[in-house]
Amino acid sequence: EVQLVQSGGGLVQPGGSLRLSCAASGFSFRNNWMTWVRQAPGKGLEWVASIKQDGSEKYYVDSVKGRFTISRDNAENSLYLQMNSLRADDTAVYYCARDDQQLIFGYWYHQMDVWGQGTTVTVSS
Amino acid sequence: DIQMTQSPSSLSASVGDSVTITCRASRNINNYLNWYQQKPGKAPKLLIYAASSLQSGVPSRFSGSGSGTDFTLTISSLQPEDLATFYCQQSYSNPLYTFGQGTKVEIK
Repeated sequence: EVQLVQSGGGLVQPGGSLRLSCAASGFSFRNNWMTWVRQAPGKGLEWVASIKQDGSEKYYVDSVKGRFTISRDNAENSLYLQMNSLRADDTAVYYCARDDQQLIFGYWYHQMDVWGQGTTVTVSS
Repeated sequence: DIQMTQSPSSLSASVGDSVTITCRASRNINNYLNWYQQKPGKAPKLLIYAASSLQSGVPSRFSGSGSGTDFTLTISSLQPEDLATFYCQQSYSNPLYTFGQGTKVEIK
């Protein structure tokens, strides 16, 4: 079964740090870009960060640049999100997702086709 | 940045009704548009990719159309289990993705 199982998360004080993990199984993890998406309470989905198959390229939404680091361990089939200098507006459910690619009429299309169960991060004093 | 705007923000319809949700991009994204369904308390689920391709296992009552800046998601015959919030997402600027703000579908 193709799945992503998340761990980490919890309650942290403003300025603190937290590391989220996402364990992949049932597919060839090293062949996929991977992504983190978050959802603040009662709000919509927000893309946070993405990482290339070999970890050589990483991209972040402006609001987390310099504070969050996405990484992966292909030998362990795991994705990570290190979150530092956390703020109240980082409070959200965080999802990891597989970034799938499909070749359609000669063009590559990307979509997030497998999602983790989500993990809650609460930043509060 | 590419902005995605959905309408309406919410809707209420009866079982068996046809429902249409609209998504507009702030610039031409060709057909690099995906649709997701999120049921309460659950992770999002991919419904449609490349604007009109149905993801494997998704019921055929869901369909997508559009190109350029204007896109639609249609549920041909609304079912009770379709209670959810639906999001569009552009992948044109991959991997700098953006989502629409969501459309909440309620059952009358």
